[in-house]
Amino acid sequence: SQTIHQWPATLVQPVGSPLSLECTVEGTSNPNLYWYRQAAGRGLQLLFYSVGIGQISSEVPQNLSASRPQDRQFILSSKKLLLSDSGFYLCAWSVPGLAAGELFFGEGSRLTVL
Amino acid sequence: GQNIDQPTEMTATEGAIVQINCTYQTSGFNGLFWYQQHAGEAPTFLSYNVLDGLEEKGRFSSFLSRSKGYSYLLLKELQMKDSASYLCAVKDSNYQLIWGAGTKLIIKP
Repeated sequence: SQTIHQWPATLVQPVGSPLSLECTVEGTSNPNLYWYRQAAGRGLQLLFYSVGIGQISSEVPQNLSASRPQDRQFILSSKKLLLSDSGFYLCAWSVPGLAAGELFFGEGSRLTVL
Repeated sequence: GQNIDQPTEMTATEGAIVQINCTYQTSGFNGLFWYQQHAGEAPTFLSYNVLDGLEEKGRFSSFLSRSKGYSYLLLKELQMKDSASYLCAVKDSNYQLIWGAGTKLIIKP
């Protein structure tokens, strides 16, 4: 069966520090991968998605970046965090080429920037 | 612009029935999803509708009317564990998911 894990679950970082969130998927090949951010009282905001190794699409301009060094690994990074980067970050995967395919989410990473 | 509207919060009684509505305005339509999200956790998939009508899955049912841009999630025989946020999401013409802000459902004994 397929599983998805992301870490760390919780982190508190000072403004201006770097960030690295990692996500891995097991039990499937060539998944579509996604990074979302969820702010309180707001819908999920798509940050990045990837349909293959090295292929990253950015949905919103920001100081975050994403990379996909391996087929089932997706990393969200920042060189210098802002206060506004605080939120709940979710990694997700879906079956490629399936319009009706639902998203499967990782456990989430709660980031607090102080 | 693209928009998904759902009530911010609803309250219901254990054992009762509750209907959570979702209206949408999107550029194209390729299906509507409902997800459940418990506080502090990730969303989990509940249902998918692409054709008009009712889809039933145990205590949960989801309805879609594409002409009205409307869906609802119906929860029967409510249990305390159903206390969660319910997220409505629509796939637009580019197969991108547009998310509502979610409806927080509070179940009282």
